[in-house]
Amino acid sequence: QLQLQESGPGLVKPSQTLSLTCTVSGASISSSNYYWGWIRQPPGKGLEWIGNIYYSGTTYYNPSLKNRVTISVDTSKSHFSLKMNSVTAADTAVYYCASMLYYHRVFDYWGQGTLVTVSS
Amino acid sequence: EIVLTQSPGTLSLSPGERATLSCRANQSVSSSYLAWYQQKPGQAPRLLIYGASSRATGIPDRFSGSGSGTDFTLTISRLEPEDFAMYYCQQYGSSPLFGGGTKVEIK
Repeated sequence: QLQLQESGPGLVKPSQTLSLTCTVSGASISSSNYYWGWIRQPPGKGLEWIGNIYYSGTTYYNPSLKNRVTISVDTSKSHFSLKMNSVTAADTAVYYCASMLYYHRVFDYWGQGTLVTVSS
Repeated sequence: EIVLTQSPGTLSLSPGERATLSCRANQSVSSSYLAWYQQKPGQAPRLLIYGASSRATGIPDRFSGSGSGTDFTLTISRLEPEDFAMYYCQQYGSSPLFGGGTKVEIK
């Protein structure tokens, strides 16, 4: 069964760069059946899609975040990563990585999520 | 720009009752790309329904989805104690978009 695990700092200072990694196991990150995505959820609020990446490296970003976000994939390490620059308190959220089925465009497996707090 | 509106915001019901959750889009969306998720406190969302009406692996048959065009519905036929949670719809037009959620709480 596919499993995803987020890792990275839980505290980031304002104006700095948030960096998270998602390690994939139980399936090949090079599979053509999946996109790999990041979704976030501010405390007490709903879900916001950040972006996806395909194993080929093609990326898709939420237009509201695309100027600050970079998603990359390292197939040799079976992980993909998120970088978000110029963070503010509004970026405080639980960040999830997830697999999106290529054909159905739904997120079928999710990581447990990691809380990232932006604070000085 | 597509907007997904879920209603009601909160649904207060008793175990054994039927729950009907609505997801409405401001323009037509593809049924093939309409999904529902369940989220419990402190947990990641779980995929329930994809393609508007297909249950994901392991999802009990008391969960059903229907709809097309701009109006979609998630129905829980008889609420079990573990069904009290938040529910989100999600569509994929040019990119993924989630609705604001419906909380199903115990009355």
